[in-house]
Amino acid sequence: AQSVAQPEDQVNVAEGNPLTVKCTYSVSGNPYLFWYVQYPNRGLQFLLKYITGDNLVKGSYGFEAEFNKSQTSFHLKKPSALVSDSALYFCAVRDGSYIPTFGRGTSLIVHP
Amino acid sequence: GAGVSQSPSNKVTEKGKDVELRCDPISGHTALYWYRQSLGQGLEFLIYFQGNSAPDKSGLPSDRFSAERTGGSVSTLTIQRTQQEDSAVYLCASKVDTDNSPLHFGNGTRLTVT
Repeated sequence: AQSVAQPEDQVNVAEGNPLTVKCTYSVSGNPYLFWYVQYPNRGLQFLLKYITGDNLVKGSYGFEAEFNKSQTSFHLKKPSALVSDSALYFCAVRDGSYIPTFGRGTSLIVHP
Repeated sequence: GAGVSQSPSNKVTEKGKDVELRCDPISGHTALYWYRQSLGQGLEFLIYFQGNSAPDKSGLPSDRFSAERTGGSVSTLTIQRTQQEDSAVYLCASKVDTDNSPLHFGNGTRLTVT
């Protein structure tokens, strides 16, 4: 079985400050990990993924995520937040199956 | 290029009526997924199609829900005898047939059952 936890329903950060959106996962094998972003009235858009290799993964719009196997975490980060980053962020995981499991989502609010 | 297209974008229906939601995946994408997004509930997996294989229906919440995919392309999700708890955004996604490729989502159909 596979599962994802996003412990924060909402994250608030001031523009220009670094941001972190947390994700922890549970899988029986090696994880494939993904982050997606959802803007209002839109579908989810792919940001970045971890499959294998370097633990620090860089993605779209200046986002990056760090895979930590011992802590089973895959936190999303950005060094300097923009107001336009305000959106709903989803972490997803899958193992050997072809069906990703998504977290409940974290609402990121960046204040000017 | 063209993305995943879903129609209608909004659907309001009366309790007890049947509804059909349509998804046009990206051309060449062999895998197609339906998810349901309810407020505060994240994404709930419904059904998965891969090429000509039998679909994985393990996420369908009741026998009122069904889906088909014709010719390996367009998919239709049908909900019979709709209930108020069926109100949600229904998202379709497709992907190429490689292990590590991400899902490409449509903008969803917002279903409201009155």
